Amino acid sequence: DADVTQTPRNRITKTGKRIMLECSQTKGHDRMYWYRQDPGLGLRLIYYSFDVKDINKGEISDGYSVSRQAQAKFSLSLESAIPNQTALYFCATSDFTDGTDTQYFGPGTRLTVL
Amino acid sequence: AQSVTQLGSHVSVSEGALVLLRCNYSSSVPPYLFWYVQYPNQGLQLLLKYTSAATLVKGINGFEAEFKKSETSFHLTKPSAHMSDAAEYFCAVSGGSNYKLTFGKGTLLTVNP
Repeated sequence: DADVTQTPRNRITKTGKRIMLECSQTKGHDRMYWYRQDPGLGLRLIYYSFDVKDINKGEISDGYSVSRQAQAKFSLSLESAIPNQTALYFCATSDFTDGTDTQYFGPGTRLTVL
Repeated sequence: AQSVTQLGSHVSVSEGALVLLRCNYSSSVPPYLFWYVQYPNQGLQLLLKYTSAATLVKGINGFEAEFKKSETSFHLTKPSAHMSDAAEYFCAVSGGSNYKLTFGKGTLLTVNP
């Protein structure tokens, strides 16, 4: 079984709809992240969480919100989706106890906003 | 502040040829450096990482990378390309305890038969 799972894998929605993307992990890591990937732009950090009570904005948080329901679960919400939020979204986890904070990624959610 | 520059958004090689993907970084603290690979319709998979131990780092699938502080580089190489190496490759840098993993824009590797 995959260590980091994301649901749904694909989603098509309309402008103005509320969307939630979910991430679960079985790696036992405290740190979790949400990124979006756009062609030619690499990955950009949306939000990150170092533990259940810690939520921080990344470089492109406008239009997004998150919820850390448990150590293993981190959800990303688009309150009112717009077409320029069409992208590939990745969840990642890391464990700084290894000294390097290496991040491990889920398979991604492809979101299309019409 | 930290940043990553990947030279060449698209690299094309013949099967059996040397693969060289270039990555230069800037970091105000001793960096950790990573290469990730993304196969079509998949997530990012860790290929290898530099953590200040050996400067030559060996990864999965025959890839390796050499950390050169004087050149601020961390280029990825593989002696002989295989068709299955076709993917997008991302270099990333983090500054130790700094949470932030900064990615390059990626290099798409095409392998021709």
